[in-house]
Amino acid sequence: AQKITQTQPGMFVQEKEAVTLDCTYDTSDQSYGLFWYKQPSSGEMIFLIYQGSYDEQNATEGRYSLNFQKARKSANLVISASQLGDSAMYFCAMPPDTGRRALTFGSGTRLQVQP
Amino acid sequence: EAQVTQNPRYLITVTGKKLTVTCSQNMNHEYMSWYRQDPGLGLRQIYYSMNVEVTDKGDVPEGYKVSRKEKRNFPLILESPSPNQTSLYFCASRDSLWGYTFGSGTRLTVV
Repeated sequence: AQKITQTQPGMFVQEKEAVTLDCTYDTSDQSYGLFWYKQPSSGEMIFLIYQGSYDEQNATEGRYSLNFQKARKSANLVISASQLGDSAMYFCAMPPDTGRRALTFGSGTRLQVQP
Repeated sequence: EAQVTQNPRYLITVTGKKLTVTCSQNMNHEYMSWYRQDPGLGLRQIYYSMNVEVTDKGDVPEGYKVSRKEKRNFPLILESPSPNQTSLYFCASRDSLWGYTFGSGTRLTVV
């Protein structure tokens, strides 16, 4: 069975500073991936970044990067130069293993960027 | 633009009045699914469909129906809505194991 754990219910960060959102996972699969999604107050689910377990380099998309440490089973999201528009819920998620069809989501971290 | 379109975005209805939330994708994806999101419970899958006329239950299917008569459409049907179905609903489609696209969500309130 897969499990995603996000231990930070809420985080504050000053505008223009970097912030790391934690995500640990558990899976028995040898090949897997990790997503990060952003959910602003308007409710939509916005894809941010993806990392596959066999990708050698940490994924980067603009100000978002993934600090992927397989040995620790962690896939932390790093947001550089935070902006006010980054205030949102952030979810870590894992695609289904062979036995299930659903994405497995963590409980989310609410990030608030302060001016 | 590649997208998943859900309608309506917001819906308030009364207990027992049948409703349908529509979902349409323009990416020719075979796989589509429905999730509900509730505070403290995260996102849970309701139903999924691997292709036309192929649907299966997810983790929380009770009280819901789906159909997949065409590849692009995957409506969610609540035959007799109840207040415990008040939630935020998402439709998603997938082109590969990794490529998920979510709709904008439907906030449903059942009174």
